[in-house]
Amino acid sequence: GAGVSQSPRYKVAKRGQDVALRCDPISGHVSLFWYQQALGQGPEFLTYFQNEAQLDKSGLPSDRFFAERPEGSVSTLKIQRTQQEDSAVYLCASSLGQGGPETQYFGPGTRLLVL
Amino acid sequence: QKEVEQNSGPLSVPEGAIASLNCTYSDRGSQSFFWYRQYSGKSPELIMSIYSNGDKEDGRFTAQLNKASQYVSLLIRDSQPSDSATYLCAVNPSGTGRRALTFGSGTRLQVQP
Repeated sequence: GAGVSQSPRYKVAKRGQDVALRCDPISGHVSLFWYQQALGQGPEFLTYFQNEAQLDKSGLPSDRFFAERPEGSVSTLKIQRTQQEDSAVYLCASSLGQGGPETQYFGPGTRLLVL
Repeated sequence: QKEVEQNSGPLSVPEGAIASLNCTYSDRGSQSFFWYRQYSGKSPELIMSIYSNGDKEDGRFTAQLNKASQYVSLLIRDSQPSDSATYLCAVNPSGTGRRALTFGSGTRLQVQP
């Protein structure tokens, strides 16, 4: 079946511009995660949804970052007033969400460059 | 101290050799451990998961977990040039409702033909 998809794959934004990144999880996956990966680093957790409920947003770096998943499927990560330090790859992952240890499956990522 | 530590490498091994990748973690209550492979410019891909002490083998890959030492490793037997990638160790930390993964910075593996 189809994996996790993300769009756009690349985004160039001018500093101060707002951006919206989309994630389409694997069908039937209840859990959805957003991670940020800087060059040469491992992914860092941003936020987590169980269905439409945002259960953990402890990793969001500032109030400029906002995520939603209104119908429990597609999710959008929005970054307002982008800064150069926001340049990174934004990865979305999904998992079944049945409880216990689970494998997270990653999408291809959105590479954001803020000029 | 980072929560998940890996040697950044590069770790260079000849084709056909065993590659040994190591990872230590700080949260003693961690329950789930994962190894992901990431090719340059691509997203992480799960290689192995391990949840209990000991060894777990899958083809050419063996994951080893020692919770007492807070240590997890990945062995790749008969290394191939196609194994050249960055290997990320990921840990699911303890805590009710915590499902996020904490990743190390990754070890870059180079398999020389």
